[in-house]
Amino acid sequence: GAVVSQHPSRVICKSGTSVKIECRSLDFQATTMFWYRQFPKQSLMLMATSNEGSKATYEQGVEKDKFLINHASLTLSTLTVTSAHPEDSSFYICSARGPENYGYTFGSGTRLTVV
Amino acid sequence: LAKTTQPISMDSYEGQEVNITCSHNNIATNDYITWYQQFPSQGPRFIIQGYKTKVTNEVASLFIPADRKSSTLSLPRVSLSDTAVYYCLVQPTFGGATNKLIFGTGTLLAVQP
Repeated sequence: GAVVSQHPSRVICKSGTSVKIECRSLDFQATTMFWYRQFPKQSLMLMATSNEGSKATYEQGVEKDKFLINHASLTLSTLTVTSAHPEDSSFYICSARGPENYGYTFGSGTRLTVV
Repeated sequence: LAKTTQPISMDSYEGQEVNITCSHNNIATNDYITWYQQFPSQGPRFIIQGYKTKVTNEVASLFIPADRKSSTLSLPRVSLSDTAVYYCLVQPTFGGATNKLIFGTGTLLAVQP
């Protein structure tokens, strides 16, 4: 089946620094990937749609200059949290739709803690 | 995108059958109904998908009435390891890879010994 690998699984960074999270489709090509954020005891909130070779589409209220998305190849999308602050601490999850009519597959998530 | 409504939480005991119902009154003709399971600190995992009537796989059954305005996920003989959040979503059938999934609140199922 389709597998999405997300790295790192957890990261701790200092306020003001930037953190990059990678999302890879291991056995299929994904022209589109999705990035979600999830706060404790809440549902997944869609942040943006990552499009291979073009600009990402951000959901309303999500700062595109803070959450930089790059989808340079058909198997890799990256989310960079720039100038991170403690309020950016959250669980970030990526997703991609598998080949043909395969369902959506999610990465294992990245726990970001900003101190 | 169709909005879904499901109970915030449910409690059960090991060995019982659990039924979680989801309402999706505005479901479109080309929408599928999909259920995902999420454990703490993990990404959601696909459980089952259906369009109408009944679908069954090795882990669950999905019942969809004729009007498709609701669906029920049935988990037979739950165990402690089934404690998780269950999300019901609707998504277009042939919309391609660009259709985004919008998650509702989900149902936290707590299975007691």
